[in-house]
Amino acid sequence: SQKIEQNSEALNIQEGKTATLTCNYTNYSPAYLQWYRQDPGRGPVFLLLIRENEKEKRKERLKVTFDTTLKQSLFHITASQPADSATYLCALEDNYGQNFVFGPGTRLSVLP
Amino acid sequence: IAGITQAPTSQILAAGRRMTLRCTQDMRHNAMYWYRQDLGLGLRLIHYSNTAGTTGKGEVPDGYSVSRANTDDFPLTLASAVPSQTSVYFCASSESSGGAYNEQFFGPGTRLTVL
Repeated sequence: SQKIEQNSEALNIQEGKTATLTCNYTNYSPAYLQWYRQDPGRGPVFLLLIRENEKEKRKERLKVTFDTTLKQSLFHITASQPADSATYLCALEDNYGQNFVFGPGTRLSVLP
Repeated sequence: IAGITQAPTSQILAAGRRMTLRCTQDMRHNAMYWYRQDLGLGLRLIHYSNTAGTTGKGEVPDGYSVSRANTDDFPLTLASAVPSQTSVYFCASSESSGGAYNEQFFGPGTRLTVL
């Protein structure tokens, strides 16, 4: 069956450290993968999109990798700040190239 | 610039009642989506529309219907609400469906409780 898993439901790290979030998928072959941020009581906000032929994408303190062999994407936040605390969702293109399917999310807490 | 608006913000509804959640976007996006978000299950697609006049079923369409009479509006209707439809509902839009132009813009959500 098709499945998207994100490393853990919650992740706590110390301010200034690099946060690494994992998105693993089974029985999908996405050409595109996205990451979103969601704050409590609000809708998700798009952060980054990475294509299957791109190994890595960066945006300011964010870095995303996409390994189609491992069927995994890693999302890194360097020099993390308490303001980075939120839930982060990965989303990947479904097998019809029609819509994106979301993972369950990882709730990140950056502790001062 | 409003982006996407949803109404109502929250609603408590008796089981068996009919309810329409409203969604409007002002970005002239072609594609629109309705998701429900439940604890532990993440965002699940209910229905989508690739362009005005067309709609499609997502992962969990049963008990819901949609229409897309124009580009801006995409209402979601619960014909006869049941308690399992208690959830937070998000409307989203994107320039197009699928591919590299599918950056989705989400509304603020509607919190629906069915008793």
